[in-house]
Amino acid sequence: DTAVSQTPKYLVTQMGNDKSIKCEQNLGHDTMYWYKQDSKKFLKIMFSYNNKELIINETVPNRFSPKSPDKAHLNLHINSLELGDSAVYFCASSPSRWGTDTQYFGPGTRLTVL
Amino acid sequence: GENVEQHPSTLSVQEGDSAVIKCTYSDSASNYFPWYKQELGKRPQLIIDIRSNVGEKKDQRIAVTLNKTAKHFSLHITETQPEDSAVYFCAASIVSGANSKLTFGKGITLSVRP
Repeated sequence: DTAVSQTPKYLVTQMGNDKSIKCEQNLGHDTMYWYKQDSKKFLKIMFSYNNKELIINETVPNRFSPKSPDKAHLNLHINSLELGDSAVYFCASSPSRWGTDTQYFGPGTRLTVL
Repeated sequence: GENVEQHPSTLSVQEGDSAVIKCTYSDSASNYFPWYKQELGKRPQLIIDIRSNVGEKKDQRIAVTLNKTAKHFSLHITETQPEDSAVYFCAASIVSGANSKLTFGKGITLSVRP
């Protein structure tokens, strides 16, 4: 009965590869997010989707492409991975798009680019 | 710009003492201010939040105060326990185009010495 789940938990890959992270929420929320947490623990929003529609797209390289097949799922595909992409990526969901209610985070995916 | 500043960056207290963590924000339109706790290797989780129409909110050993005029809000933890040791993030809702998003502070590492 996990609320927000992500796969995989760990991802180790070589520079230049392409990889995907998947996220699912069973809370019935309309809005989902991708955050990047770097080695200094800074939590930075990357994307936000509301009911499959992209509503927030921060200054993220276009090597990162999110996709939301339905409002319960949000995936992140990363092309041509670079060393600086190494981080923990958190998916989150919330009831609404307004940034004014609780965000529920997934367990995170630790990406290491070698 | 949309800034949420958190200080200090680290805080060490003796078990049983109180801890106070302060945040400032720059967007006067911000109206929602949550605090998230992230234990080592875990996901961030909401511990308390406050909205702009309220000056103070308390939940057992934790409380949050908001000063809208000065644009700062604080987390107060009384009778600290070793399990309070974690990274604490403040956040503020920031208007972003037709939407709002949460902008997080850089986090403070709280250590409670037994």
